Amino acid sequence: NAGVTQTPKFQVLKTGQSMTLQCAQDMNHNSMYWYRQDPGMGLRLIYYSASEGTTDKGEVPNGYNVSRLNKREFSLRLESAAPSQTSVYFCATPGLGTGYGYTFGSGTRLTVV
Amino acid sequence: AQSVTQPDIHITVSEGASLELRCNYSYGATPYLFWYVQSPGQGLQLLLKYFSGDTLVQGIKGFEAEFKRSQSSFNLRKPSVHWSDAAEYFCAVGALNQAGTALIFGKGTTLSVSS
Repeated sequence: NAGVTQTPKFQVLKTGQSMTLQCAQDMNHNSMYWYRQDPGMGLRLIYYSASEGTTDKGEVPNGYNVSRLNKREFSLRLESAAPSQTSVYFCATPGLGTGYGYTFGSGTRLTVV
Repeated sequence: AQSVTQPDIHITVSEGASLELRCNYSYGATPYLFWYVQSPGQGLQLLLKYFSGDTLVQGIKGFEAEFKRSQSSFNLRKPSVHWSDAAEYFCAVGALNQAGTALIFGKGTTLSVSS
């Protein structure tokens, strides 16, 4: 089925550890996005990629890096995790044009202790 | 700057009663507006969207929303709520950038349904 796949679904890190969240889409879309969701804050844009080879900062990029490996894959890396990065992370890709909304992955629930 | 306000953090309605969730936006041009629903532990599912044309849009699960430009609002409605509608609802506005449409989300409204 066409969609967005995120791995892992759950992760616990110790402060200072690093990890990479993976996202892959099989919808052949150019744009991909990373959001974080925190209680009472809605979803906030971390980074986005307009196309293969390009990335740009969103609203809350500090502490994160991204890589657009190819058209399908867009990874989010935490180099030195902090408790403030405890969150649920969603990858998303927009539909054709601007009227189709986004298709979201099922999310990665990250806890930093 | 673009923004979305959902004034109600939490709403409780009785099963079978009507529902209206409020959404106000701030945007300099014609907005692209969306409503998403999120069940606990799940991702986000698109309920409906406004792109252009008819200001009353129909979505899935019996939901509808009305775009009112004069009030900068895009309220979500359902005539008769079911227990399975209990979830968190997010309003979002599309802001054009070079990547296409970067969605800006409201902080969400949690809907509880009482029997």
